[in-house]
Amino acid sequence: DAKTTQPPSMDCAEGRAANLPCNHSTISGNEYVYWYRQIHSQGPQYIIHGLKNNETNEMASLIITEDRKSSTLILPHATLRDTAVYYCIVRVRDDKIIFGKGTRLHILP
Amino acid sequence: DAGITQSPRHKVTETGTPVTLRCHQTENHRYMYWYRQDPGHGLRLIHYSYGVKDTDKGEVSDGYSVSRSKTEDFLLTLESATSSQTSVYFCAISESKAGDQTQYFGPGTRLLVL
Repeated sequence: DAKTTQPPSMDCAEGRAANLPCNHSTISGNEYVYWYRQIHSQGPQYIIHGLKNNETNEMASLIITEDRKSSTLILPHATLRDTAVYYCIVRVRDDKIIFGKGTRLHILP
Repeated sequence: DAGITQSPRHKVTETGTPVTLRCHQTENHRYMYWYRQDPGHGLRLIHYSYGVKDTDKGEVSDGYSVSRSKTEDFLLTLESATSSQTSVYFCAISESKAGDQTQYFGPGTRLLVL
């Protein structure tokens, strides 16, 4: 199984860009990179996904390196409401998502 | 937000009693999933369904059964609840086509087995 490596926690000042890294060196050529987040006691929330190209939506940007071995989720202007655990997922077997431990992002006022 | 509801949202029950959790969707998505989330374990897949009456086991299926008689409803049953099944249960749905396997999650059900 492809596995992801994320830092267990990160801090970011409110209003600044939050850059969350993810390593996925064993990703296969047809596997997508997905990002979800989970705000305390809520269900996980889909953020963004991509295959090769960088992607942007109303929530975030996803930067995938050319060799696809790592990616970065960017929250352009972090707010206190962005405090959450962020999950990077690249392995989907038979339509099943395998969650790791994620990165706990603290937004500092 | 995707139209996913879970009921009940909170439940306290006693060991040995049967419990059924319901997941209801209004998106007409083909795939539905049940996860449990426990401290130190993250989210783990219990069962999933890829169509009406079509279900399969996840990584922690022992002690749980599921049923899907309609596209919109996916039921999770604990035949005889145990304290180890105290957890937060999340339902998710997915259209799962053309390589896009994005899942959308419900608000969760907190279950306490005494």
